[in-house]
Amino acid sequence: QKEVEQDPGPLSVPEGAIVSLNCTYSNSAFQYFMWYRQYSRKGPELLMYTYSSGNKEDGRFTAQVDKSSKYISLFIRDSQPSDSATYLCAMKKFSGGYNKLIFGAGTRLAVHP
Amino acid sequence: DAGVIQSPRHEVTEMGQEVTLRCKPISGHDYLFWYRQTMMRGLELLIYFNNNVPIDDSGMPEDRFSAKMPNASFSTLKIQPSEPRDSAVYFCASSLGGIQETQYFGPGTRLLVL
Repeated sequence: QKEVEQDPGPLSVPEGAIVSLNCTYSNSAFQYFMWYRQYSRKGPELLMYTYSSGNKEDGRFTAQVDKSSKYISLFIRDSQPSDSATYLCAMKKFSGGYNKLIFGAGTRLAVHP
Repeated sequence: DAGVIQSPRHEVTEMGQEVTLRCKPISGHDYLFWYRQTMMRGLELLIYFNNNVPIDDSGMPEDRFSAKMPNASFSTLKIQPSEPRDSAVYFCASSLGGIQETQYFGPGTRLLVL
């Protein structure tokens, strides 16, 4: 079983829809949670990060962490065609003397006009 | 700043050949990361450096892979000898302050080993 599970999709939604992207994890050692967005043939770029359980909002994006359930989510409100990309969750843990960053497989999102 | 620069952008080589990927991080960043991305395995952290010193290379798949950072503005990832299963997109990223800080990724090198 992978430490971080993420449904690869693809997820196809109409413009204006609310999108919910999710990751689950198995190791309670994960402390820092991030969402990266990756456009086709580009490198990932950081969207949001959060440390604690709860919600964090940035414009149309809301990151949610539930440490008790080992579950994180990214919500996109009023989705736009420009949101079409792959979204990767990433989590940091301290292991073996080093900080380690583990990425989910990524969920491919397509927002159609 | 031009961002993280990687070269070459595309590389096609034959099995058994040596491949060298290059990266120039953002000026002033003290962390540099090498990643590999494939459809099967997703994005994997191979190795990262702090102030030019390798910190964690546990993600390097085999001894055929090696990485160096001779100075703050240059790093290489070398595969010798290359194999078809090394075909992937290799990303370099840099950050200021640590692995959890915002990592700025380069455009990647698409490697195809025939």
